[in-house]
Amino acid sequence: QSALTQPASVSGSPGQSITISCTGTSSDVGGYNYVSWYQHHPGKAPKLMIYDVSNRPSGVSNRFSGSKSGNTASLTISGLQTEDEADYYCSSYTRSTTLVFGGGTKLTVL
Amino acid sequence: EVQLLESGGGLVQPGGSLRLSCAASGFTFSSYAMSWVRQAPGKGLEWVSCITDSGGSTYSADSVKGRFIISRDKSKKTLYLQMNSLRAEDTALYYCAKMVGTGTGRAFDIWGQGTMVTVSS
Repeated sequence: QSALTQPASVSGSPGQSITISCTGTSSDVGGYNYVSWYQHHPGKAPKLMIYDVSNRPSGVSNRFSGSKSGNTASLTISGLQTEDEADYYCSSYTRSTTLVFGGGTKLTVL
Repeated sequence: EVQLLESGGGLVQPGGSLRLSCAASGFTFSSYAMSWVRQAPGKGLEWVSCITDSGGSTYSADSVKGRFIISRDKSKKTLYLQMNSLRAEDTALYYCAKMVGTGTGRAFDIWGQGTMVTVSS
């Protein structure tokens, strides 16, 4: 159950687009379309932003989108806003019938 | 309003036990799988354990297997996590999370605010 690999930090300016990658293996990310993404502001509960690779829950801005290619999933945030500054985590179902998170990415909006 | 409210956290000595509870409201508790996720101080999220909608199947991370037991009470709309043989590395904020659908693999769509567990002598 090794954690999925995410960049420790990414940054962008308001209005720009950024992409956060999430790399796993064929036993998790590459093997199932059960990748999800979470936004976590310190001191608050995590919030689901994307599920099943590319689906947005009701109420989540369409500025957030997800995709997957092989063993790597990606979260793209377009039209960056200051309130997007947070930690982002990916998660995937695994062959061992468990779930695994990525190490997290700190997004800074400059 | 859909809500999850955790309780039961606190300070416990190494080797001790603690039972966390998570009261659910605003949705049909018995129709969804549920999970526990934790976050150690300064660290990332770590999945701990999940249970199917019926309670018939449970799954746990290797780090807690054999020590933690997840269960649910349909009549009380409550999720539990019995934590035994606690270690310093179990110190974390423990979140209760509702899962998308009846299965245990898709995503966590509703989260509680968390309850803090500190394991220290």
